Amino acid sequence: GAVVSQHPSRVICKSGTSVKIECRSLDFQATTMFWYRQFPKQSLMLMATSNEGSKATYEQGVEKDKFLINHASLTLSTLTVTSAHPEDSSFYICSARSAGGTGTDTQYFGPGTRLTVL
Amino acid sequence: DAKTTQPPSMDCAEGRAANLPCNHSTISGNEYVYWYRQIHSQGPQYIIHGLKNNETNEMASLIITEDRKSSTLILPHATLRDTAVYYCIVRGTSYDKVIFGPGTSLSVIP
Repeated sequence: GAVVSQHPSRVICKSGTSVKIECRSLDFQATTMFWYRQFPKQSLMLMATSNEGSKATYEQGVEKDKFLINHASLTLSTLTVTSAHPEDSSFYICSARSAGGTGTDTQYFGPGTRLTVL
Repeated sequence: DAKTTQPPSMDCAEGRAANLPCNHSTISGNEYVYWYRQIHSQGPQYIIHGLKNNETNEMASLIITEDRKSSTLILPHATLRDTAVYYCIVRGTSYDKVIFGPGTSLSVIP
């Protein structure tokens, strides 16, 4: 099946620094990727949708200048949390949508990245 | 997107069938019902989806009522590894973005 990887799996950083999270589709091309955030004991919240080669579309309430998304290729999207603060500590999950396929799902999820900001 | 309603939590004895209900009374004719699950600290995993007919795969069965206003996900022989949060989601097509609700936290008990 389609595999999506994320790197790093967990990261700890100091307040004020920036952190980059990578999302890769390993065996398919992803024209669209999604970024979610999940706080403890809560559901996943969609942050933004990115299409390869164009600017990301952010959900209401998500600061685009704080959460920079780059989708430069069909297999890689990055999320950079700029000037991270403790309230940005969360579980970040990416999802990649394949360009084709029927019968099952076309949106595949990564394993998540645990960000802790001290 | 149509909203779904699920019970917040359920328990199931190991080896028994787990029946997880979902209400989607405002679903429209071309919308599918999708089920995902999330094991603690992992990414969501696709389980099954359907439009109007009942569906079965190696993981589960999906029973959709004739009026399509509700559905039930059935895990035939629950194991401890099935302990997870289960999300019922209505989508127009598999290309629509996945929006998660609170889901049902299923605990499989030895």
